[in-house]
Amino acid sequence: GAVVSQHPSRVICKSGTSVKIECRSLDFQATTMFWYRQFPKQSLMLMATSNEGSKATYEQGVEKDKFLINHASLTLSTLTVTSAHPEDSSFYICSARVGWGIQYFGAGTRLSVL
Amino acid sequence: QKEVEQNSGPLSVPEGAIASLNCTYSDRGSQSFFWYRQYSGKSPELIMFIYSNGDKEDGRFTAQLNKASQYVSLLIRDSQPSDSATYLCAVIPATQGGSEKLVFGKGTKLTVNP
Repeated sequence: GAVVSQHPSRVICKSGTSVKIECRSLDFQATTMFWYRQFPKQSLMLMATSNEGSKATYEQGVEKDKFLINHASLTLSTLTVTSAHPEDSSFYICSARVGWGIQYFGAGTRLSVL
Repeated sequence: QKEVEQNSGPLSVPEGAIASLNCTYSDRGSQSFFWYRQYSGKSPELIMFIYSNGDKEDGRFTAQLNKASQYVSLLIRDSQPSDSATYLCAVIPATQGGSEKLVFGKGTKLTVNP
């Protein structure tokens, strides 16, 4: 089946630093990838839709300048959390579209900002 | 009214029993429905999708869709302790105008007791 690799799995950083998370489709080309955030005991909240070769589409309330998304190739999308603060601590998960509504998820990145 | 609602549980069933997980959605025009399983601390994995009214079976899993009642359910037969996880219902609302963004419910936590 389709495999989506997400790195790193865990990040601990100081407040004010930037963190980059990578999402790769390993055995298929993903023209569309999605980035989610999940707080404890909450559901997945879509942050943005990433399309290869074009600007990401952000959901309402998500700061574009804070959460930079780049989808430069058909197999790689990156999310950079700029100037991270403790309130950005969360579980970030990417997914790749493999069919209508069907998404395969990466393993997720647990971000802790001190 | 939230777009996708699920009973948060926890739902506890004995091993070998049938687990029944329910989900309601608010957008009557929704056409695509998905069930994802999420183990604690992990990312979601797709179990089933269903587009048409009625039942769809895959191994021990059966998805049931009733569009008139705006209700979708997941039955797990012969429940095993390894089925213990949070089950997320996801819908593609018709109001998104062709976008295939998934809207997730909060999930139902299932515990299967040996």
